[in-house]
Amino acid sequence: ILNVEQSPQSLHVQEGDSTNFTCSFPSSNFYALHWYRWETAKSPEALFVMTLNGDEKKKGRISATLNTKEGYSYLYIKGSQPEDSATYLCAPSRGSTLGRLYFGRGTQLTVWP
Amino acid sequence: GAGVSQTPSNKVTEKGKYVELRCDPISGHTALYWYRQSLGQGPEFLIYFQGTGAADDSGLPNDRFFAVRPEGSVSTLKIQRTERGDSAVYLCASRAGGATDTQYFGPGTRLTVL
Repeated sequence: ILNVEQSPQSLHVQEGDSTNFTCSFPSSNFYALHWYRWETAKSPEALFVMTLNGDEKKKGRISATLNTKEGYSYLYIKGSQPEDSATYLCAPSRGSTLGRLYFGRGTQLTVWP
Repeated sequence: GAGVSQTPSNKVTEKGKYVELRCDPISGHTALYWYRQSLGQGPEFLIYFQGTGAADDSGLPNDRFFAVRPEGSVSTLKIQRTERGDSAVYLCASRAGGATDTQYFGPGTRLTVL
């Protein structure tokens, strides 16, 4: 069991607002950090995989940063749109466990038009 | 190309029954994972296959759960003597390359045990 914490648990914003979430995890034996977006009744969609301390990744209006030394990652959404409404999951993996992902409970984002 | 598919999408069964859940990974992906998400929790690891063999089955909760991947492609998760606590969304994911590569998920099977 790995203690992966995501905050906030849920978030409601207005269209056009920018927002960010936090994922914290044990820094020991870190291997990679995955972010997923999961909309109801769909497959979880891979957003980013990050491995190096200081990594920054960007996909459209969504970006993520990684700090492996202190064990956290931030996900940013710029100018939120209603279609961004979903649950955002982070999942680190460890060097000893063959790519197995340890998921947090997620942040549920609702963007109101 | 086609993504990961899972069947059935929903399964309702009675306590004590046997169920099989199927996963079709992306063609050519050698690594396959099963996870399950219970209400209010994040997905939890069940089992990992590399090719035909289960490389890590430490997440299976008890001996009522078993999974196979006989030809290194399709996998079946089998649950015997189902219990109400087995109700969850069962997710399958496949991966092509190394352990840090992206895992691609299917839409899941929602299992409800009455």
